[in-house]
Amino acid sequence: AAGVIQSPRHLIKEKRETATLKCYPIPRHDTVYWYQQGPGQDPQFLISFYEKMQSDKGSIPDRFSAQQFSDYHSELNMSSLELGDSALYFCASSSSTDEQYFGPGTRLTVT
Amino acid sequence: AQKVTQAQTEISVVEKEDVTLDCVYETRDTTYYLFWYKQPPSGELVFLIRRNSFDEQNEISGRYSWNFQKSTSSFNFTITASQVVDSAVYFCALLARAGGTSYGKLTFGQGTILTVHP
Repeated sequence: AAGVIQSPRHLIKEKRETATLKCYPIPRHDTVYWYQQGPGQDPQFLISFYEKMQSDKGSIPDRFSAQQFSDYHSELNMSSLELGDSALYFCASSSSTDEQYFGPGTRLTVT
Repeated sequence: AQKVTQAQTEISVVEKEDVTLDCVYETRDTTYYLFWYKQPPSGELVFLIRRNSFDEQNEISGRYSWNFQKSTSSFNFTITASQVVDSAVYFCALLARAGGTSYGKLTFGQGTILTVHP
């Protein structure tokens, strides 16, 4: 069965650079979520989209933005990167059954 | 506001022992869902189970079982006859419907690191 695809899987950036993370949801899933998991922490909700509209927003820094495109894939854009942005970024998708299926994550390292 | 508490930070057992991971949640919503996810060392989050607030029936899946008790706001997870491959971080999570819509964010507990020794 198709799963959530995230790219890239690993990303190394320097401080003040920008990064774009991509997420391709499971086919026919209409909702996409982004979570950030810092080292030794639990995943924290950033933002979600339902049918290409932002549906909810969590503790997402103003330096971050995201959108969902017509083909339902989503991108998380991160600017002016800081050391504290180093984390595992998960994308998840769901349909009306509410089970969120997570992608493998993108490990971002900011140096 | 939603809150999930996993009081056990780390648990260490020897293979074949049974182990129970505790999860206590808080929510004011009457409709909500509870989940367990497994995060092995490779980092991905693996969905294990979903339970809705109206279904307190316990569930068993192989060596895994879950005990949902609304009266104590708990959703505990038991692994019977643990194996080394069960070593992972286990997260309990809560999803409350956002105004009755079909989507909602997950609130995770802090996670429990389970180590199963041979």
